[in-house]
Amino acid sequence: EIVLTQSPGTLSLSPGERATLSCRASQSIDSNYLGWYQQKRGQAPRLLIFGASTRATGIPDRFSGSGSGTDFTLTINRLEPEDFVVYYCLHYRDSPFAYTFGQGTKVEI
Amino acid sequence: QVQLQQSGPGLVKPSQTLSLTCAISGDSVSSDSVAWNWVRQSPSRGLEWLGRTYYRSRWYTDYAVFVKSRITIYADTSKNQFSLQLQSVSPEDTAVYYCTRDRPSFPWFLAYWGQGSLVTVSS
Repeated sequence: EIVLTQSPGTLSLSPGERATLSCRASQSIDSNYLGWYQQKRGQAPRLLIFGASTRATGIPDRFSGSGSGTDFTLTINRLEPEDFVVYYCLHYRDSPFAYTFGQGTKVEI
Repeated sequence: QVQLQQSGPGLVKPSQTLSLTCAISGDSVSSDSVAWNWVRQSPSRGLEWLGRTYYRSRWYTDYAVFVKSRITIYADTSKNQFSLQLQSVSPEDTAVYYCTRDRPSFPWFLAYWGQGSLVTVSS
């Protein structure tokens, strides 16, 4: 089973700065199967990025994803106040089917 | 616009069965291009995918290994909804439970989420 490790656990930045969040897989994965979610307090997670680098519908272009193999990155340019929340990476496999989440990175002011 | 509305008890006694339902609007549970999932979240275990059901000429289910022996996910086409049953619960099953639907094409990711249901397992 693939384990996703996110780092750092907490990222302290200021509005307007750039955030770089890491997601490392325990073994090499197909980038099509890697995504990123944002979760605000008291809300369900929201899909930001799928296929490692494709933004979901309605996601601002300050969010971007990259990576391959075992190392993937979510970059948030020009942080807005509403971006200071928690982010998760997600991987799925086809056979047997399963989704696996990372443990999350909190972006704080 | 797809909307998922969850319902079910917020308190379940240990050893009993947790039951939640997710009512669908803006889509059909019998759609042959998507799957209907349950995910839970707790402070100690984080986000965990529990399983899914989907229709491709017949009904299929996939379950997470760690709950496979005590979980059932099924659809009710007459009510356009799907449900989760988790048997023999313990306090470790206390979590916020979400119903979700994935994207309608490859790659599949959880794109639509219900509002979440806090379920506490306690006597």
